[in-house]
Amino acid sequence: GEDVEQSLFLSVREGDSSVINCTYTDSSSTYLYWYKQEPGAGLQLLTYIFSNMDMKQDQRLTVLLNKKDKHLSLRIADTQTGDSAIYFCAESITGGYNKLIFGAGTRLAVHP
Amino acid sequence: KAGVTQTPRYLIKTRGQQVTLSCSPISGHRSVSWYQQTPGQGLQFLFEYFSETQRNKGNFPGRFSGRQFSNSRSEMNVSTLELGDSALYLCASSSTGVSNEKLFFGSGTQLSVL
Repeated sequence: GEDVEQSLFLSVREGDSSVINCTYTDSSSTYLYWYKQEPGAGLQLLTYIFSNMDMKQDQRLTVLLNKKDKHLSLRIADTQTGDSAIYFCAESITGGYNKLIFGAGTRLAVHP
Repeated sequence: KAGVTQTPRYLIKTRGQQVTLSCSPISGHRSVSWYQQTPGQGLQFLFEYFSETQRNKGNFPGRFSGRQFSNSRSEMNVSTLELGDSALYLCASSSTGVSNEKLFFGSGTQLSVL
């Protein structure tokens, strides 16, 4: 079946690294995405990784994919207060025409 | 390049009414998808359109419908509104809708049903 799970809350100190974890169930997933949602806003695409890759780095963001365990993580280096938001993990379904399966979202709180 | 534009930003309706939401995709994008976001159910896929044809549909009742025009703009309609239809409705666009594309979202329409 199609299911994506995330922990609901993460609190970090400003300047530390944040790691948000996600597990998915559909082995036919082609791409996995991380989106950010700030209050009252839509979803902002942060980064994505193809299912045959292990890692992708984009400035402060590092995505790690363990396909065997169906585990995806997003690491944010040097976390800032502006990073406070809800982060969604999502998987695309082969032939799904932009049908993404989203996790419930992880609320990241950054404190001084 | 302008992003995905959704109108209106907020809507208040009463039970039994119907509502139409509008979405203009990024220029050049031909695939438009709709999602519903609620605190209880999270983000759920409603449907996807490409070249005025619905190619995929989520698990929603027939009260939820949509269409796409020749200029790729899309509308979704919800008839006989129920309290549970209160949600943020998000529209997203991409070039062709295949699974290796980036999907860009609008800011959403917040629908409140009283």
